[in-house]
Amino acid sequence: GAVVSQHPSRVICKSGTSVKIECRSLDFQATTMFWYRQFPKQSLMLMATSNEGSKATYEQGVEKDKFLINHASLTLSTLTVTSAHPEDSSFYICSASGASGRHNEQFFGPGTRLTVL
Amino acid sequence: QKEVEQNSGPLSVPEGAIASLNCTYSDRVSQSFFWYRQYSGKSPELIMSIYSNGDKEDGRFTAQLNKASQYVSLLIRDSQPSDSATYLCAVLGSTGFQKLVFGTGTRLLVSP
Repeated sequence: GAVVSQHPSRVICKSGTSVKIECRSLDFQATTMFWYRQFPKQSLMLMATSNEGSKATYEQGVEKDKFLINHASLTLSTLTVTSAHPEDSSFYICSASGASGRHNEQFFGPGTRLTVL
Repeated sequence: QKEVEQNSGPLSVPEGAIASLNCTYSDRVSQSFFWYRQYSGKSPELIMSIYSNGDKEDGRFTAQLNKASQYVSLLIRDSQPSDSATYLCAVLGSTGFQKLVFGTGTRLLVSP
């Protein structure tokens, strides 16, 4: 149990385009979802926290107008990278918590590797 | 002082040995602690959670927690080359929003 999926797993886009990444909890209702970014050989960096039906809470230094997060249901959150630029190329990973009986545990999706040309 | 500290490694152990990974944290009121394994190019995978002082065993893995010393460890018995990965210690923050605070990870290398 507690499986999280992400789509797409890999995306290559041109500079200036927008990219949407989906994160789904497949077998539980996720009360909270998190979006992370990880650059090569660096640690996870939390970008934002979202609860179903409410606005996301962004970490300091993360541009909310550039990284749009929507948590429309208890099983789906989306991250849209707007007007992507090469410096946005990174590994984006979502996680979800709220699985029944899994006290505060966060389960990660497989990640989305974004390359902006 | 970082909130969650880990030795970056690499920690090298021979196959079959016990690997001991350590983590210290600064927030005294933290109550929930987690170990994640991350293979290169992949996302983190939860392998252990621990909430009470003492040991918690799951297969070849044992998590140890000492809240008085603000110390969490992970022991891997009978280490296998497939255990070679980066191990992330995570502490649930006490500031709300259920955010995890991660250490930078310890890279473990298990040689055949």
